[in-house]
Amino acid sequence: NAGVTQTPKFQVLKTGQSMTLQCAQDMNHEYMSWYRQDPGMGLRLIHYSVGAGITDQGEVPNGYNVSRSTTEDFPLRLLSAAPSQTSVYFCASADAPGTGSSYEQYFGPGTRLTVT
Amino acid sequence: SQKIEQNSEALNIQEGKTATLTCNYTNYSPAYLQWYRQDPGRGPVFLLLIRENEKEKRKERLKVTFDTTLKQSLFHITASQPADSATYLCALPMNTGFQKLVFGTGTRLLVSP
Repeated sequence: NAGVTQTPKFQVLKTGQSMTLQCAQDMNHEYMSWYRQDPGMGLRLIHYSVGAGITDQGEVPNGYNVSRSTTEDFPLRLLSAAPSQTSVYFCASADAPGTGSSYEQYFGPGTRLTVT
Repeated sequence: SQKIEQNSEALNIQEGKTATLTCNYTNYSPAYLQWYRQDPGRGPVFLLLIRENEKEKRKERLKVTFDTTLKQSLFHITASQPADSATYLCALPMNTGFQKLVFGTGTRLLVSP
């Protein structure tokens, strides 16, 4: 299993440009989420999905869109990049909670995004 | 909303000693608490979960305690090794969803030989 994969690893955008960060998992997990990590702020939840066709907002959703057309993929779209979106972005997946679940989230390697 | 406090200063200890990291939260008591390890340039990796009705959990050299009265979790690494050097993150579920996590900023641990 590849686990959670993210592309690209690095990206530089100009203010106003749009792009999509890709995330895929091969563990058949129902739950997927996007976080951003900034110095001194910790990981913050942007959007999440509890299954194909179902998405919802996290703590910091403004400026980002998501969709979940398949179980495997959960892309994050930046509509009009701003310098405040300079960050490291992590995608994570988790199995549906059940008896004795550890609620473990599996993280991808991250995408480092710089907006100039 | 839930706030999590972890010591932002790095913890420096010598190999073989026990490292103790602290996680304090401020609002509602969560159903569980998790600890993750993060190495530079990589995503967090899950280590341990402890539930609200558990006082202590162990896994090899790791031990986690959970005191819902103090709103605090302690994370211990016994017989620490240089390979344990990393940032350790505490995470709790939001009160709006079991799988929606709030993370602390993490504490960096440095174990010197």
